[in-house]
Amino acid sequence: GENVEQHPSTLSVQEGDSAVIKCTYSDSASNYFPWYKQELGKRPQLIIDIRSNVGEKKDQRIAVTLNKTAKHFSLHITETQPEDSAVYFCAASRSAGGTSYGKLTFGQGTILTVHP
Amino acid sequence: EAGVVQSPRYKIIEKKQPVAFWCNPISGHNTLYWYLQNLGQGPELLIRYENEEAVDDSQLPKDRFSAERLKGVDSTLKIQPAELGDSAVYLCASSSRTSGTGELFFGEGSRLTVL
Repeated sequence: GENVEQHPSTLSVQEGDSAVIKCTYSDSASNYFPWYKQELGKRPQLIIDIRSNVGEKKDQRIAVTLNKTAKHFSLHITETQPEDSAVYFCAASRSAGGTSYGKLTFGQGTILTVHP
Repeated sequence: EAGVVQSPRYKIIEKKQPVAFWCNPISGHNTLYWYLQNLGQGPELLIRYENEEAVDDSQLPKDRFSAERLKGVDSTLKIQPAELGDSAVYLCASSSRTSGTGELFFGEGSRLTVL
C-alpha cells in the first residue's frame, strides 16, 4: 500500500517568513495530492490540492509543487501570519473510478507555529 | 449547507465496555469514511463506504470493530469491547463521486478515552 512521509514534524517561523513542508510517497500510481490544515481541536480542512497532470498550483499565499519522478510534493506558504499556525497534513491517493479518489493516505503532520 | 455531523463529541468509558459513534454525512455524498486519528498523528483509514457497500475495510480490526451504513446515508462505528489503546479521535468524512474533486469533508470527530 501507499506510504507517505512528511517533514519536518515541527516548523517555527517568524511572521512574514516563508514555510515549506515536504512529503514523499511510495505508490507511483498515486495521482492526487491534497493538503489539509487542522487547527487545535478542529476538523481537518482542505487548503489546496494537486493532480499528477500538473507540476505546480498556486492559491494566493499557498502553493504546492509536485515532482512525479522523485515522488515528492511540497507545500509552500509565503508571508506567513499567526493564523497560519496549525497542523498541516499531506496525503496521497489514486483514482478509484469516476471522480472518486478512494483511500487517502496521510502523512504524520507538521506543526507550524508562526510567531508574531 | 450542513457539514458532516458526528456524535458524541466526547466519550469516556471503562475498558471492556462497548461504545458507538454516529455520523451523518453531507447530503448527496455517496462516499463515507471512518478515520482513526491518534494524538500527534495523521488520520488512518478504518473503512470506506460507497453508498451502503464497504469497499475498503482492510484496516478495520474486525475482532472488536464493526461498522454499518444502512440505506447508504448515516453510519455507525462500534467498538466492543474497548481497549486502552483505542483512545483516539474517530473522524468521519464524506465525499462526492460526481463533484469533480477529491475533497474529503470531515466531521469534528468523536474523542474516545478508555480508562
